[in-house]
Amino acid sequence: GAVVSQHPSRVICKSGTSVKIECRSLDFQATTMFWYRQFPKQSLMLMATSNEGSKATYEQGVEKDKFLINHASLTLSTLTVTSAHPEDSSFYICSAGGTGDQPQHFGDGTRLSIL
Amino acid sequence: AQSVSQHNHHVILSEAASLELGCNYSYGGTVNLFWYVQYPGQHLQLLLKYFSGDPLVKGIKGFEAEFIKSKFSFNLRKPSVQWSDTAEYFCAVSNAGNNRKLIWGLGTSLAVNP
Repeated sequence: GAVVSQHPSRVICKSGTSVKIECRSLDFQATTMFWYRQFPKQSLMLMATSNEGSKATYEQGVEKDKFLINHASLTLSTLTVTSAHPEDSSFYICSAGGTGDQPQHFGDGTRLSIL
Repeated sequence: AQSVSQHNHHVILSEAASLELGCNYSYGGTVNLFWYVQYPGQHLQLLLKYFSGDPLVKGIKGFEAEFIKSKFSFNLRKPSVQWSDTAEYFCAVSNAGNNRKLIWGLGTSLAVNP
């Protein structure tokens, strides 16, 4: 079945560092990918929709300059958390698919911890 | 506003017990409905989905769910759970024909004791 690979699975870094997370669709092309954030004991929150070859669409309340999204190819989207601070610590999940009758497929997620 | 409500946040069962997890949604249009499962340390996986047709949907690993339109519900069931069913279960809803924007429930943590 469809596989979405997300890397890295875990990041621990100092405050002020920028962190890049990659999301790849391994066996299908994804014109659209999605980035979610999950807080402990809460549901997934859609942050943005990543569109291949064009600007990402951000949900209300999500800072575009803070969470930079690049979708340069049909199989790769990246999320960069710029100048990360402890409040950015969270679990970030990407997904791809969801066109027509197809459900979304999810990556394994990235646990980001900012010290 | 669209929303999804999962009634049970934490469920603890013994093996062979029956399971029913509640899911209600609030949305005025035609919907697609999903149950996803997240096993410890793994990514979200699709358990089952409803787009149209028979409101009783069968998924993987013996799970099923019933869409009751009049009640705006899509409850997940399994007649006999196993220890390996221990996981987090999420109900999600999207516009019919567009599964791109999913609205998620808070999830239900299921622990099955051997």
